[in-house]
Amino acid sequence: QVQLVQSGAEVKKPGSSVKVSCKASGGTFSRNTISWVRQAPGQGFEWVGGVIPVSGSANFAQHFQGRVTLTADESASTAYLELSGLRSEDTAVYFCARRVISTSGLVLDAFDIWGQGTMVTVSS
Amino acid sequence: TVMTQSPATLSVSPGERATLSCRASQTVSSNLAWYQQKPGQPPRLLIYGASTRATGIAARFSGSGSGTEFTLTISSLQSEDFALYYCQQYNNWPLTFGGGTKVEIK
Repeated sequence: QVQLVQSGAEVKKPGSSVKVSCKASGGTFSRNTISWVRQAPGQGFEWVGGVIPVSGSANFAQHFQGRVTLTADESASTAYLELSGLRSEDTAVYFCARRVISTSGLVLDAFDIWGQGTMVTVSS
Repeated sequence: TVMTQSPATLSVSPGERATLSCRASQTVSSNLAWYQQKPGQPPRLLIYGASTRATGIAARFSGSGSGTEFTLTISSLQSEDFALYYCQQYNNWPLTFGGGTKVEIK
């Protein structure tokens, strides 16, 4: 069974950058199946971005455009989220999540396996 | 696409049925998922494709609906079902989630 294990909590200053890792174990890994979602304290979920399987290019929520970079090291079965220009409202738990692969082989943007989450705190 | 869940809180006795609603501001076809979240844990996928149970999910969880109106039904609430529930659409970019329904013990 695939598990996603994320890197530890981070405390960052406003304007700086953070890089969160997500390592897959127990199964095959494809960068095309990992997306990122965040949850501010006591709040709901906000999709950050993911890789479009067909093109391999990344797709982001609009207000993250220009600030988010998604990369992966497939040899290490690890995906990365880097967020720059941090502001206080970026304080949240960041989750990586694996897309559902349907019985017919379609990759769907629902998420069946989640990492444990990485708390990113932005504070001066 | 704005996802609106109702009610915000649902008080139910163990063994009773719980019905949760999710409405989309525009059609999402059947590209709708439901998740359960407990404190300090990541979400757990319950339903995708509006009505397909995810692997290992108990039969007491069922989903229905299409277009803009969706329902998650828990047929007989067990103690472990008291939690937060979220819907999520994946038909339109950006992907969006509802604000959640808290199912609490009555």
